[in-house]
Amino acid sequence: EPEVTQTPSHQVTQMGQEVILRCVPISNHLYFYWYRQILGQKVEFLVSFYNNEISEKSEIFDDQFSVERPDGSNFTLKIRSTKLEDSAMYFCASSLGTPFFEQFFGPGTRLTVL
Amino acid sequence: EDQVTQSPEALRLQEGESSSLNCSYTVSGLRGLFWYRQDPGKGPEFLFTLYSAGEEKEKERLKATLTKKESFLHITAPKPEDSATYLCAAITGNQFYFGTGTSLTVIP
Repeated sequence: EPEVTQTPSHQVTQMGQEVILRCVPISNHLYFYWYRQILGQKVEFLVSFYNNEISEKSEIFDDQFSVERPDGSNFTLKIRSTKLEDSAMYFCASSLGTPFFEQFFGPGTRLTVL
Repeated sequence: EDQVTQSPEALRLQEGESSSLNCSYTVSGLRGLFWYRQDPGKGPEFLFTLYSAGEEKEKERLKATLTKKESFLHITAPKPEDSATYLCAAITGNQFYFGTGTSLTVIP
């Protein structure tokens, strides 16, 4: 069964460093998303991506965040200068048709900022 | 302010003891209400989409229903493998909101 994969499973970084989180969405899906979940809190929408551009973003997705689909398979989230409060689980998701409907989530990357 | 609230936060059931989880939403222009299951350390797993009040969807021991203000996830005769956190989420316009989830534990 096709699935969304994410790497690494756990990333530890120093405050102020740049990190890139990687995702491989399901191959025939058209819409891609990033979410984050701070420990003990809600899953929060960050950004959606379609046709090689951002289609929607939340207030959380400020200038320190960027997304890219560098090739036909990978989808990345870059955090330029990490802060302590960026520590969270980051989930990538993808969907085939209507945006946000029937999303398939990856296993997540746990980001720890020290 | 658009909001999705779930109750209870945690629920412990004996195996076979049926119950319901609640998801209340206050969003303008609801386009869809979703239920997901999340196991510890994993991403949410899609269960159901509900589009309009009165709609019901079923899958094995789970049934999801929707009214104009809330959704229920009914669990009939649960088994220990149903233990997980159940999340609801709502989409309005192009914003997507998750609730905080209900952590379900089913005791053998």
